[in-house]
Parts: sequence; C-alpha cells; structure tokens
Amino acid sequence: EAGVTQFPSHSVIEKGQTVTLRCDPISGHDNLYWYRRVMGKEIKFLLHFVKESKQDESGMPNNRFLAERTGGTYSTLKVQPAELEDSGVYFCASGSGYSSTDTQYFGPGTRLTVL
Amino acid sequence: AQSVTQLGSHVSVSEGALVLLRCNYSSSVPPYLFWYVQYPNQGLQLLLKYTTGATLVKGINGFEAEFKKSETSFHLTKPSAHMSDAAEYFCAVSPYTGANSKLTFGKGITLSVRP
Repeated sequence: EAGVTQFPSHSVIEKGQTVTLRCDPISGHDNLYWYRRVMGKEIKFLLHFVKESKQDESGMPNNRFLAERTGGTYSTLKVQPAELEDSGVYFCASGSGYSSTDTQYFGPGTRLTVL
Repeated sequence: AQSVTQLGSHVSVSEGALVLLRCNYSSSVPPYLFWYVQYPNQGLQLLLKYTTGATLVKGINGFEAEFKKSETSFHLTKPSAHMSDAAEYFCAVSPYTGANSKLTFGKGITLSVRP
C-alpha cells in the first residue's frame, strides 16, 4: 500500500511568487491534515479536511494560504503571494479514523524556500 | 491550550547505551500522547502512542514510553541504542475530546548514536 506522497519535494521561489503544494493521501483515508515546520521551531497544525470539507482551519496563518481537496482525494495548498516567512517544511498527513486517538500517517514533506 | 516541551535539541549516546528522551506536556486534562520519529528524507513515523489503559506503552524498534500523570510526562526510552536509531524524535499530543484530532508537537530532539 502506498504511503502519503507529496510533490514537489523541494521548491525554491522568489518573494511574491505563487507556489502550489500537492498531497496524495493513503487511499481511502477521509482525513487529511496539513502541518508546517519553520526552521528551528515545532511542527504546527495548519488545517484538517474530512473528505472535501474543511473541518478545522484554525492554524492557517493568513489569507495568502488556500487549501483545497477536490473530490475528497488529493489536496493542494497554494501560497499566493509567498513571503520570506513562509519558508519551511510543509507536511501532509492522512488518517482513516475520526478520533483523536487515531494514527496520522505523514508524508516526507515539501521543503519550501522563499528568497 | 495544550503545549509540549522537549528539553534540549540534541542528544548523543554510545551504541548500546540507554536512550532517554524527555517529553512534558501542559494540558487542562490529560491528552492523548504520541511519539513520532523522522529518519532522514522520510516522513514522520509513529513509534508509539498512549490513549487509555496501561501507562507503559511499547512501540516499534524496542522503544517504550511511560505516561506519568502526576509528572505530566511521557518520556521515551530504549535500553540499548543502535546506530539505526539516529533520527529526529517528536513528542506530540492530541486533545482528549474526540472531535478535534489535530496534533500539537514539541520542537523535536535529534538523537545521534556514536559507535
């Protein structure tokens, strides 16, 4: 069974440009999460999808970030326009259950560098 | 609000020595507790988790952790370190209320194993 995949693995863009990150969850997982780790800091929650609906987007930093999950399958996270402080590693995770005890399976992350 | 403290950013042990990685949490009610490991160029992988029941939890690769409510701690141990244990380790919590499953992470600890 394939794990969570993320694309691209690395992205280097200039300030003001747009970047779109993609996450493909484990097949059949209704729950999809985005997290971000800024250098030297802890991994922080961004948002949670249940199927195609946003269950919790309390961690989204501002309206330059737009997350979508078309058809309840893969998800994209768009940053427009990118700022220097958006640099970091963006992790996607998926899970099959609806309880806070359920395991979240993480992808390898996308390393975003904004110059 | 919940928070997780992992003191120090780096631990170095000799191969065969005890591994002890500390984790303390702050929460109004005891949360669910997780340890994740990230090997180079890979996603986070669940080592073990505490939800209910026995407070000593055994995980993969010989790791275990003990939930101590009185000390608000969930320290990770392994009796004998192996070179392959070199990685970054994250302690995380999720809320006791089941509807909200977002993880709150500590800053992570990098474990080095000396031959």
